Amino acid sequence: GAGVSQSPSNKVTEKGKDVELRCDPISGHTALYWYRQRLGQGLEFLIYFQGNSAPDKSGLPSDRFSAERTGESVSTLTIQRTQQEDSAVYLCASSLAPGPYNEQFFGPGTRLTVL
Amino acid sequence: DAKTTQPNSMESNEEEPVHLPCNHSTISGTDYIHWYRQLPSQGPEYVIHGLTSNVNNRMASLAIAEDRKSSTLILHRATLRDAAVYYCIPSAGGTSYGKLTFGQGTILTVHP
Repeated sequence: GAGVSQSPSNKVTEKGKDVELRCDPISGHTALYWYRQRLGQGLEFLIYFQGNSAPDKSGLPSDRFSAERTGESVSTLTIQRTQQEDSAVYLCASSLAPGPYNEQFFGPGTRLTVL
Repeated sequence: DAKTTQPNSMESNEEEPVHLPCNHSTISGTDYIHWYRQLPSQGPEYVIHGLTSNVNNRMASLAIAEDRKSSTLILHRATLRDAAVYYCIPSAGGTSYGKLTFGQGTILTVHP
C-alpha cells in the first residue's frame, strides 16, 4: 500500500521567502507528526496532529513556523521569512492512532535549502 | 522525557549477530522502549518496541533488562542493508504520548 508521501522532495529558496511543505499521510492514520533533521543531527519534534483535537505545537522553533491539517488528511508546514538556519530535512510521519505503543511511518522528507 | 545513552558507533561483519545497547536509567514505568533506524538519505523506519518482556519480530529482537534501565537490540544476522543509524527511544504516555524524542543514535557499519 501507499506510504507517507511528501512534496516537494527538494526545495531551494532565498532567505526571506516563504515556503510550504506538504505531507500526505497513510489513509486512515489519525495521528500526524512533523520533525526536522539538521545535517548530521537527530530528529527534532515540531508539531503533532490528532484528529480534530488541538495540535501539540510545543516543538515549533519560532512563530515563523506554522502547520495545518485538514481533518485526517493532508498537512502543510509553512515557514515564513525563511532563514539559513531553517535549512534541514523536514520529515512527516503518521500513525494509526496516537500513543506510546504505535508505530510511526515516516515519509522520505523534504530537503530545504535556504540560500 | 527519559534520557538515553547509546554508543556513537559500532561495527559488525556481515552474517554475524549485532547487539546494540541502550541505557535509559530515567525511564518511567509506563514508557515503552522503541527502536527506529535510519538508512542513509531516508526517513526513519520502525524496528521494534517493548514494555517489559523481551520481544521478537521479523527484523530483530529486543531484550529488556529486568529493571528496565537498559535494553539491547539484537540483529541476528547482519546484512549490508542493516547499515544505518539506530535510535533507542523511550516513548511516554500522557500529554507527550506518540511524540518521539530522537537522540544521536548509534551508527552501525556492516563490513562484507
